[in-house]
Amino acid sequence: GDSVTQMEGPVTLSEEAFLTINCTYTATGYPSLFWYVQYPGEGLQLLLKATKADDKGSNKGFEATYRKETTSFHLEKGSVQVSDSAVYFCALNAGNKLVFGAGTILRVKS
Amino acid sequence: GAGVSQSPRYKVAKRGQDVALRCDPISGHVSLFWYQQALGQGPEFLTYFQNEAQLDKSGLPSDRFFAERPEGSVSTLKIQRTQQEDSAVYLCASSLSLAAYNEQFFGPGTRLTVL
Repeated sequence: GDSVTQMEGPVTLSEEAFLTINCTYTATGYPSLFWYVQYPGEGLQLLLKATKADDKGSNKGFEATYRKETTSFHLEKGSVQVSDSAVYFCALNAGNKLVFGAGTILRVKS
Repeated sequence: GAGVSQSPRYKVAKRGQDVALRCDPISGHVSLFWYQQALGQGPEFLTYFQNEAQLDKSGLPSDRFFAERPEGSVSTLKIQRTQQEDSAVYLCASSLSLAAYNEQFFGPGTRLTVL
């Protein structure tokens, strides 16, 4: 079945450091790919998405590119802030429902 | 604007009790989804509706779990004879349609603790 694997956390970075959170997927069709974020005490919210191969999703300085050849959708940000501390979930939708990875905790220190 | 709301936010149940969790989707959203999130894990799909029709309930873990959306708006997830392994956060999400590219908007969740 469809599945998502993302790097284990927690990831701890200093402010202004470069961030990469790896995400790979397995799907039988051509899924849409998503990154959701969960800030402390808040619900899940969409960060960015890409719906076809080579699409790049971006939002709030975060980017991810849909790589069909490597079945990946890695999340990157050039300079993280303390306010980016949260749990990040990679997800795919290949047939009406979202399939999530286990989540990666990001901690950014000032 | 109003987002997805869920109630109660927290529920403590004794093992064997029945519970009912409510979800109010965003107005006009045709599709409604339920997910279960165990501690430290990503959400896992339970079931979804298009309007009042339950199109997929393959993720429901047992026949103790039942969901309904009788008028195509508010949905209720019911768990009968709760067990400790049912302890989790139950998330509801809604979207404009079932298209895979559509964003699902999530509610804050109901944290269920079964003692």
